[in-house]
Amino acid sequence: AQSVTQLGSHVSVSEGALVLLRCNYSSSVPPYLFWYVQYPNQGLQLLLKYTSAATLVKGINGFEAEFKKSETSFHLTKPSAHMSDAAEYFCAVTEDTGGFKTIFGAGTRLFVKA
Amino acid sequence: NAGVTQTPKFRVLKTGQSMTLLCAQDMNHEYMYWYRQDPGMGLRLIHYSVGEGTTAKGEVPDGYNVSRLKKQNFLLGLESAAPSQTSVYFCASSTGTVQPQHFGDGTRLSIL
Repeated sequence: AQSVTQLGSHVSVSEGALVLLRCNYSSSVPPYLFWYVQYPNQGLQLLLKYTSAATLVKGINGFEAEFKKSETSFHLTKPSAHMSDAAEYFCAVTEDTGGFKTIFGAGTRLFVKA
Repeated sequence: NAGVTQTPKFRVLKTGQSMTLLCAQDMNHEYMYWYRQDPGMGLRLIHYSVGEGTTAKGEVPDGYNVSRLKKQNFLLGLESAAPSQTSVYFCASSTGTVQPQHFGDGTRLSIL
């Protein structure tokens, strides 16, 4: 059965600093991995997705994530944080096993300090 | 571009009352989902549908019912609301099981 663990419920960075949000997963088959962002009082929006085509995935707003099978990780990064990046971020994993189940992590809230 | 629209956006109920949450999508997606979001727990799947006329249970289905009579609409019902159902409810849709999901802006439901 798949699972997702996001390390750190809260992360605080200064504007212009590196953003690193950690996600580890477990899956019995090659997974499909996603990062979503949620702004206050809104639904989740897709940032990027991994579907085995390339291990480094680029998303919107300057975010990217690297799939590392040996570490079962899919960490999200952005070289330089902007105030508008303050939001909650969710990692999610789906298995293509004929059934359906997407598991979402508990979320990491990103704070950006001026 | 409406995408996924949820109504109502806010609602306060008394214990034992019933209500229906409506989700409508205009993207012709086959798959639709209902989640609840509680602090520190991410999103948990309540029910989902893989096409018009079909529904299936998710991770936390107890106390909820759903219907998908039309492809574009997915209804979530609470027959007898309980305080434990106080949450933010999100509807989502997708083109397939491994495709990204498109979310509505949520319904904030409080049960007193």
